[in-house]
Amino acid sequence: AQTVTQSQPEMSVQEAETVTLSCTYDTSESDYYLFWYKQPPSRQMILVIRQEAYKQQNATENRFSVNFQKAAKSFSLKISDSQLGDAAMYFCAYRSAWASGTYKYIFGTGTRLKVLA
Amino acid sequence: EAQVTQNPRYLITVTGKKLTVTCSQNMNHEYMSWYRQDPGLGLRQIYYSMNVEVTDKGDVPEGYKVSRKEKRNFPLILESPSPNQTSLYFCASSLLLGRTLHFGNGTRLTVT
Repeated sequence: AQTVTQSQPEMSVQEAETVTLSCTYDTSESDYYLFWYKQPPSRQMILVIRQEAYKQQNATENRFSVNFQKAAKSFSLKISDSQLGDAAMYFCAYRSAWASGTYKYIFGTGTRLKVLA
Repeated sequence: EAQVTQNPRYLITVTGKKLTVTCSQNMNHEYMSWYRQDPGLGLRQIYYSMNVEVTDKGDVPEGYKVSRKEKRNFPLILESPSPNQTSLYFCASSLLLGRTLHFGNGTRLTVT
């Protein structure tokens, strides 16, 4: 069974600085998707970035980028130029490719990010 | 506006009193699913549905039921709620071949 591990329950970053949130996963599959979701105090779940396992290039979305290391089963999120609005809980998630016949999403336990002014 | 609508946002009930949390999406998504979020445990999938009349268990299905009689609706039913089902619940949907899960705004359930 697949697992997702976020080993940092809480992180802090100074405004305008860069922070990296860690995520590791375990799977025997070769094709899958990885996601980072943000949950601000409003508790809304917002997709930050996604990565297809078959793509070697790391995904980027403005100030957000990932470091995807498929062999190491690592999927870290880097937030550059941190802003106060980035303060939230961040969840890493895994999903098998639909063709696998498995339709579950597996989420990590989350990392709470605090941004200091 | 494309969205997933969950109701209610807050619910306080007593042990054993049957309740239903509704979930509706207007994006014609085939895939719908339910999650519970608990501190230190992240989100755990309860049930999911690939299409009308097709549902399957997630990782924590005990104590819950679902039905998918229409494509747009996927209610979560707690026939006899217990205090250990106190949690934050999310409904979510996506296209079957899509890569983005769209979430509702969550339902905070308290069972006393």
